Amino acid sequence: AQTVTQSQPEMSVQEAETVTLSCTYDTSESDYYLFWYKQPPSRQMILVIRQEAYKQQNATENRFSVNFQKAAKSFSLKISDSQLGDAAMYFCASLTIQGAQKLVFGQGTRLTINP
Amino acid sequence: DVKVTQSSRYLVKRTGEKVFLECVQDMDHENMFWYRQDPGLGLRLIYFSYDVKMKEKGDIPEGYSVSREKKERFSLILESASTNQTSMYLCASSLSGQRNEQFFGPGTRLTVL
Repeated sequence: AQTVTQSQPEMSVQEAETVTLSCTYDTSESDYYLFWYKQPPSRQMILVIRQEAYKQQNATENRFSVNFQKAAKSFSLKISDSQLGDAAMYFCASLTIQGAQKLVFGQGTRLTINP
Repeated sequence: DVKVTQSSRYLVKRTGEKVFLECVQDMDHENMFWYRQDPGLGLRLIYFSYDVKMKEKGDIPEGYSVSREKKERFSLILESASTNQTSMYLCASSLSGQRNEQFFGPGTRLTVL
């Protein structure tokens, strides 16, 4: 069975600084996808970034990038130039190709941006 | 833009009541999902559906059932609500295919007294 672990329940960062959110996962599959979702306060969950396991290159979306270490089963999210609007719960999730199209989520990390 | 709507943002029910949570998506997505979100536990899958009248149990289906009579609508049913079902419930939908992202509704915060 897949598991996803986020060991940081809360993180904070100064506005304009860089922060890294950690995520580790466990799967016996060789092919899978990894995701970071963002849930702002009282707003809908949205996809931040996606990584295909077969791609060695780390995914990047503007100020958001990942550090994907397949051997270590680690998938951290780096947010550069943090903005007040980045304050949210962040969830790491995994999905295997072989299994049903089900996401397995981590526990979440609450990110606070200090002005 | 994909829009996923849920019938209520907040709901208060009494123990033993039958509760219906409705979810509607407007982008002709094949897949629909129901999750519950609890602090420290993240999101856990209750049920999902690949097509009309199709349903599959997720990780925590006990105490819940679902209905998908039309492609755009996926209902979560609590046959006899209990206090341990107090939670945030999130609906999501996606196109068929593993790399397709799931789009989430705003959530329903259910309180069972």
